[in-house]
Amino acid sequence: DSGVTQTPKHLITATGQRVTLRCSPRSGDLSVYWYQQSLDQGLQFLIQYYNGEERAKGNILERFSAQQFPDLHSELNLSSLELGDSALYFCASSATSGGARETQYFGPGTRLLVL
Amino acid sequence: GDSVTQMEGPVTLSEEAFLTINCTYTATGYPSLFWYVQYPGEGLQLLLKATKADDKGSNKGFEATYRKETTSFHLEKGSVQVSDSAVYFCALSDPYTSGTYKYIFGTGTRLKVLA
Repeated sequence: DSGVTQTPKHLITATGQRVTLRCSPRSGDLSVYWYQQSLDQGLQFLIQYYNGEERAKGNILERFSAQQFPDLHSELNLSSLELGDSALYFCASSATSGGARETQYFGPGTRLLVL
Repeated sequence: GDSVTQMEGPVTLSEEAFLTINCTYTATGYPSLFWYVQYPGEGLQLLLKATKADDKGSNKGFEATYRKETTSFHLEKGSVQVSDSAVYFCALSDPYTSGTYKYIFGTGTRLKVLA
């Protein structure tokens, strides 16, 4: 158990809908990262928040957004969903701002299925 | 740009066989290198890491040595068990990367160990 929690575990929705994925980092960790894992794209970094502020951005679509709250939990919002958004979404956390030597600890993921 | 290349899977071995999963990388600076493991239905777990050239990471019988001259970080285990069946991801984090993301993952290598 990494100490990172994600809810819900599974999510089934329809195209055009909007969903929110939630992540609670390990106790004391200040950074939260979001990743998308799909069969065709592999594991792709989406976005990082550090202590409430956006720190780094990866391959995140404009339809997707995230935020980190004062209690350091984070939410990933996915809107206007398309079939291709079906994937496993992981959250990870790390102790500080994410230096090159810093280990990221991953949650169990949320499996999203868009029908 | 930075990249990680892993050997294609799946790799199928008998119990107690020797395992090697190849990983090579391209990086601008001097990255840290990681191996993560993903067991069925779970998130990624850090298996081992190395932060500078010639460092050897080890954990649970797995080892990998950071080889700067060959830009490689191959994962090895002397005697695999059925419980090692999982997907293994090689990753790098480059402090000199000017891009917006911190971790770059390989495509993953699925290992299946037969009793």
